[in-house]
Amino acid sequence: GAVVSQHPSWVICKSGTSVKIECRSLDFQATTMFWYRQFPKQSLMLMATSNEGSKATYEQGVEKDKFLINHASLTLSTLTVTSAHPEDSSFYICSAAGTRAYEQYFGPGTRLTVT
Amino acid sequence: AQTVTQSQPEMSVQEAETVTLSCTYDTSENNYYLFWYKQPPSRQMILVIRQEAYKQQNATENRFSVNFQKAAKSFSLKISDSQLGDTAMYFCAFMKTGTASKLTFGTGTRLQVTL
Repeated sequence: GAVVSQHPSWVICKSGTSVKIECRSLDFQATTMFWYRQFPKQSLMLMATSNEGSKATYEQGVEKDKFLINHASLTLSTLTVTSAHPEDSSFYICSAAGTRAYEQYFGPGTRLTVT
Repeated sequence: AQTVTQSQPEMSVQEAETVTLSCTYDTSENNYYLFWYKQPPSRQMILVIRQEAYKQQNATENRFSVNFQKAAKSFSLKISDSQLGDTAMYFCAFMKTGTASKLTFGTGTRLQVTL
C-alpha cells in the first residue's frame, strides 16, 4: 500500500525559531499534498493544499507567511513554521493524494512543542 | 461550504457487542465521497470505509458497515463484534468529487471498547 512518512515525528523548539517538517510519499508520486493541524482531543483542520511546482493554497485564517509550504518534487512537501510561538504547539499531519481522486494517504504526524 | 457533524463526543461498547456512530453532513453537491477514519492512540489516521454518493448500496468492510441515507444526509457507521483494538477516535469525513479534493472532517467520536 501507499506509504507516507513525516520527519521529524516530534520536535521541540524555542520560541522565535523556525522549524521544518517534511512529508514524503515513499512509493508513489503525489501531485497534491495536504497539511492538517490537530489540537488535543480535536479534529483535523486543513491548513493548506500543496501542489507540486506551484504555490500552496491556504485555508481562510491560516497565515501563509507563518506557515511556509514548499512542494518542490512529486514526493516531498515541507511545512516550515516560522518564528514559532507556544500557541503553534500542535500535532501536524500531512496527507498525499493518490492516483484515484478519493485516495488520500496520511503520514504519522509530527508533534511540535514550542517552549 | 460543506459541514460534517458528529453529535456523539464519546461512546462505549462492550467487547463483542455492536455499536453505531452517527454522522450527518450538509452539502449542495450531488457527487461526493464519504469516509470513516479511525485514529488510534498512535494518532495515525486509518481509513475504515468509503462510500460513493452515487452508489445506493451501503459499503461494508468486514465488521464495519455504513447506513448511507443520501436524502437525509446521514452516514452512520456500524461496528459489529467490537474488539478492544477498535478503541479509537472515529472521524466522519466528506470529500467533493474532483481531482485531489480536500477532506472536511467532523469533530470525532471517541469510542471505548470495554471487557
